[in-house]
Order: sequence, then C-alpha cells, then structure tokens
Amino acid sequence: QKEVEQNSGPLSVPEGAIASLNCTYSDRGSQSFFWYRQYSGKSPELIMFIYSNGDKEDGRFTAQLNKASQYVSLLIRDSQPSDSATYLCAVIRSSGSARQLTFGSGTQLTVLP
Amino acid sequence: DAGVTQSPTHLIKTRGQHVTLRCSPISGHKSVSWYQQVLGQGPQFIFQYYEKEERGRGNFPDRFSARQFPNYSSELNVNALLLGDSALYLCASSLGPYSNQPQHFGDGTRLSIL
Repeated sequence: QKEVEQNSGPLSVPEGAIASLNCTYSDRGSQSFFWYRQYSGKSPELIMFIYSNGDKEDGRFTAQLNKASQYVSLLIRDSQPSDSATYLCAVIRSSGSARQLTFGSGTQLTVLP
Repeated sequence: DAGVTQSPTHLIKTRGQHVTLRCSPISGHKSVSWYQQVLGQGPQFIFQYYEKEERGRGNFPDRFSARQFPNYSSELNVNALLLGDSALYLCASSLGPYSNQPQHFGDGTRLSIL
C-alpha cells in the first residue's frame, strides 16, 4: 500500500464546473496535509494546507480533511483553463524528527474551455 | 520578497561525475529540505536541515550528501552520478522543521545524466 494515494487521472472538467481531487493516506498519525499545484515543467506551488478535521476555504479552493477515514480532498469551484495542472497531495507523517513531505503521484486536471 | 532560489537551473553531466546544487531559502526561513522528482512521480524526500543540523534523511544512497551554511543556504552534492539520477531536484524552505510550517519550493534544478 502506498503511503499517499491519488487517482492519477487525467480528470477533465468543463470550465465553470467543480473539480474534485481526492487523496488517501496510510499513516493514521499523519499530522499535516498539503495540496500543491504543478504546471508542466515547473516546480510545485503550495495552494492549500489543512491540519484539523473539517473544511478550509481559500477563494475558489476548499480543502477537506477526514482523519477517521484517512482522506483529504481538494475542491476547485468555477474551474478555469488556467487550473489545468497536476495536483499533488502531500502529508507530514508522525514518525521521525524530520517533518518531510510524503507525496502522492499527483492527479492531472484538465479544464476544458 | 524573493522566494526560494536554486542554481543552476539546468545541468548536464556524464556518468561517474560529481554535481553540486545550491539553494537559498526565503528570507527568515531556517529549514531547508531537498527532494528528487522523476517524471510522472511526486517528489521524494532526500534531506532536511535546520540550523545547520541534519534533521532527517530519505532512502537515498550515501552518494547523496548535503549541508547547510550559517546563512541557512544549502548545498546538495551527488557523487558518482548514475543515469537514474536524472531528475528535477527541488529545494524547499520553511520557517522551521515543524509540521505546521508549510514548505515552499524553488524552481528546481533539472539534472540530466548522459
């Protein structure tokens, strides 16, 4: 079982729709959860982070965390073609002194005009 | 304020050579982490440094080493390069090494091994 799992996609949504990206993690003690956006050929850009169960909203983005189900999601409302990118889910696990990010393989999102 | 800066942006080496990659963190950030990203995968953790001390090491061979300087900048060194070392090397900085302090990435160094 991978430590962080994401559907690789590709996920296609029409412009203006809601894009829903999902991520599950295996370490029940994971503490912090992050979503990064990565355009082709570029580096990851932090777009959301969430530490507590529930929802966190920032503009068109909502992160949802359910620690009991070991599940974190990202909703993108009013999707735009500029949102087309790979979205990486990352968690910080509970073990070790380093707080390294453990990433999923990413979900490729395409927003169709 | 400047973000995380990495140099060089691109590098081409041959097998067996040595490479040094450099990273300057965001001003005020004291923790630097290095990641390797191969095509189609998420970044893989290599090292984390905080206050010049190594705080963690990922599952990479001893050919990989790093250090952090008093100004919090960092170097990643890779010896005896292999074809499989071809990847995007990412540096991330954060205020500190704690789980509630988000890491921000630089633009990366794309390393190609011939």
